[in-house]
Amino acid sequence: AQSVTQPDIHITVSEGASLELRCNYSYGATPYLFWYVQSPGQGLQLLLKYFSGDTLVQGIKGFEAEFKRSQSSFNLRKPSVHWSDAAEYFCAVGAMRTTSGTYKYIFGTGTRLKVLA
Amino acid sequence: SAVISQKPSRDICQRGTSLTIQCQVDSQVTMMFWYRQQPGQSLTLIATANQGSEATYESGFVIDKFPISRPNLTFSTLTVSNMSPEDSSIYLCSVVRGTGFDTQYFGPGTRLTVL
Repeated sequence: AQSVTQPDIHITVSEGASLELRCNYSYGATPYLFWYVQSPGQGLQLLLKYFSGDTLVQGIKGFEAEFKRSQSSFNLRKPSVHWSDAAEYFCAVGAMRTTSGTYKYIFGTGTRLKVLA
Repeated sequence: SAVISQKPSRDICQRGTSLTIQCQVDSQVTMMFWYRQQPGQSLTLIATANQGSEATYESGFVIDKFPISRPNLTFSTLTVSNMSPEDSSIYLCSVVRGTGFDTQYFGPGTRLTVL
């Protein structure tokens, strides 16, 4: 079955430290992968996406993610975290409905990031 | 990008009543989706709103409980029927412009509390 797993429910890092948020997916075909951020009181915003090509993708706010097909992973990274990065981060995969050929998106459970001053 | 508005932004409703949530986009889009997000939880897809035809519901969601309309390419409604406290949640509308997998743009959400 199609699924997305974010193993870390909560992560706490100090401001200026590096960050890696894990995402593993289960999908038989070529995955279309996304990372979204949901800041307190804000809507969901796309950080970056991977469809094909270079497996290291750059996003907004200094984030990047690396697609590793062999590990079924799409981990999000940032070299130096800012206090404003405190938010909920969601990994998602685009999936086709086999019965209708239409598509949908499956979200992981999210990782809540706390940043210490 | 896409600018999406949802009405109402929040509501408190009595058990057994129904609430209709509106989603308006500033320009035409191909796909519109409705999600539910309970506090501190992930997003659960309720259904895909199809223009001119019946919505496509995910497992666990049925048309009688969550009727959806999409009369055109910029507007959709989700009704939460015969509400119970378990329906208390944030309901989100999202849209996609392209014809294949692409960026989803999300509305601000409707926070529903059922007493």
